[in-house]
Amino acid sequence: EAQVTQNPRYLITVTGKKLTVTCSQNMNHEYMSWYRQDPGLGLRQIYYSMNVEVTDKGDVPEGYKVSRKEKRNFPLILESPSPNQTSLYFCASRSSGGVTNEQFFGPGTRLTVL
Amino acid sequence: GDSVTQMEGPVTLSEEAFLTINCTYTATGYPSLFWYVQYPGEGLQLLLKATKADDKGSNKGFEATYRKETTSFHLEKGSVQVSDSAVYFCALSDPYTGNQFYFGTGTSLTVIP
Repeated sequence: EAQVTQNPRYLITVTGKKLTVTCSQNMNHEYMSWYRQDPGLGLRQIYYSMNVEVTDKGDVPEGYKVSRKEKRNFPLILESPSPNQTSLYFCASRSSGGVTNEQFFGPGTRLTVL
Repeated sequence: GDSVTQMEGPVTLSEEAFLTINCTYTATGYPSLFWYVQYPGEGLQLLLKATKADDKGSNKGFEATYRKETTSFHLEKGSVQVSDSAVYFCALSDPYTGNQFYFGTGTSLTVIP
């Protein structure tokens, strides 16, 4: 089954404790992306990657890091989480074949930073 | 820059009522337009899309027409069901900005029996 998986689905942590949210897709997609969803703000893009070893900032990259060492994986790293990073996070992927291609989303990771 | 504006929610309708959720966009190039739906506790999934002016996307009784002259992509359904309760996001993908996706803020729909 074609899918995007994220882990963990739920995470409660404390300020300053480094964490990684994993994302993996099995569709051989070139393009992957991370979003955060906050009430009243919709989805905002954090980082995206056009292919292996190619990453770029989205609209709200501060406080986040990503890496793309393999085509299928695109982890999101919070080196020193803060309470304002409490949010619902989604990973997405799509083929880079054209602008018409839809994005496929993971189930989401709900992060709480105390 | 590119952006998507959609009507504020929440929207509450009775079953079998007519639904319209307004969406307008601003884009540098000639974008593709999408409606995504998010059911409670789930990720977003594509509902329908349109890739050029005057295209009509449709799925599960929902429709939206790509109107270049009014830069709009309003979502409509003639008769909503309780199972349509979800959050709906309008989005665009613009080749002039590297095929970046831009999302609206989402509109929450609740359908009551």
